[in-house]
Amino acid sequence: GAVVSQHPSRVICKSGTSVKIECRSLDFQATTMFWYRQFPKKSLMLMATSNEGSKATYEQGVEKDKFLINHASLTLSTLTVTSAHPEDSSFYICSAITVNYGYTFGSGTRLTVV
Amino acid sequence: GIQVEQSPPDLILQEGANSTLRCNFSDSVNNLQWFHQNPWGQLINLFYIPSGTKQNGRLSATTVATERYSLLYISSSQTTDSGVYFCAVSAGKSTFGDGTTLTVKP
Repeated sequence: GAVVSQHPSRVICKSGTSVKIECRSLDFQATTMFWYRQFPKKSLMLMATSNEGSKATYEQGVEKDKFLINHASLTLSTLTVTSAHPEDSSFYICSAITVNYGYTFGSGTRLTVV
Repeated sequence: GIQVEQSPPDLILQEGANSTLRCNFSDSVNNLQWFHQNPWGQLINLFYIPSGTKQNGRLSATTVATERYSLLYISSSQTTDSGVYFCAVSAGKSTFGDGTTLTVKP
């Protein structure tokens, strides 16, 4: 149980365009999901906490206008990277927390902005 | 916020060897997990262990919450164990350590 599906797994986009990443909880309801960013050979950095039906809570230093988060249902949260630039290239991972399993992570999305 | 330190940062083993990875944290937590990130980036949950000891095959983990550390034991290591091992703690928000990069050579 406690499976989180994330897609796409890999995306290449042109500078200035927007990219949407989806994170779904498949066999449970997730009122809260989390979005992380990971740079090469680095740890995971929490970007924001996504709350179903309300605004996301962003960590200090994360631009909320660039990284738009929508959590419209109990099973889906989306992260949209707007007006992407090469410095936004990174590995993005979502997760949800469950009572029995703790944090469960999606498989990640590798974003490359060219 | 809570500080998480993992050691060693890098570890190279010969296949079949045993190892111990450590995670120290600076404050009380209500959740601690160990993850393995494979070369493709997938994070695999190994243990959800805020306290006590758990075992799963060749892996086991012990968390001593009162002393603010956790240990991950890998026995009879295999090449497929290679990757980065993260410890993550939370008291509300989750905080990851910097990881231990394990390389198991055949």
